[in-house]
Amino acid sequence: GENVEQHPSTLSVQEGDSAVIKCTYSDSASNYFPWYKQELGKRPQLIIDIRSNVGEKKDQRIAVTLNKTAKHFSLHITETQPEDSAVYFCAASLYGGSQGNLIFGKGTKLSVKP
Amino acid sequence: DVKVTQSSRYLVKRTGEKVFLECVQDMDHENMFWYRQDPGLGLRLIYFSYDVKMKEKGDIPEGYSVSREKKERFSLILESASTNQTSMYLCASSFPSGGYTFGSGTRLTVV
Repeated sequence: GENVEQHPSTLSVQEGDSAVIKCTYSDSASNYFPWYKQELGKRPQLIIDIRSNVGEKKDQRIAVTLNKTAKHFSLHITETQPEDSAVYFCAASLYGGSQGNLIFGKGTKLSVKP
Repeated sequence: DVKVTQSSRYLVKRTGEKVFLECVQDMDHENMFWYRQDPGLGLRLIYFSYDVKMKEKGDIPEGYSVSREKKERFSLILESASTNQTSMYLCASSFPSGGYTFGSGTRLTVV
């Protein structure tokens, strides 16, 4: 089955710096890759996603890139702010679309220091 | 706004008790999922369902069962609770595109 590896497990940056979180997946059939942000004591929330027919997607300060050949995808956060501090999870879907169950990475705890 | 509601935020149960965790979503989604979240282990899939009365085992189904009698409701059952089932349990409902909406979670402590 699918396996998702996520690195680093913890990341500390200064406010205003960029942060990059990387994930690799094992099953080349996976075609949907979302990222979730979980603030302390709250539910995970979808922040951005990408499908395998796209190489990059941006939403304001957040971007995700996908390299299908290497089977890895990354989350990029620019101009980090203290409110970006949270645990971030990447995930991959074996089927994509309406019936895919997501396999999650173990998470990255991002700390943004003011 | 999609809502996924889990009936309890905190639960304390005794070893050997039968425990029911309820999850209700209001967006007519076919797909519903149960995950448990433990420090350092991320989110692990317990069971999922793509339709009423349909269920599939995830990665860690042992000690759990599920029920999906109605489309909007997906219940997780611990047949005989054990201390190693102390965890945060998250229910999710998926959009047709595949993105999940999670419930607020139930923190279960088995003593």
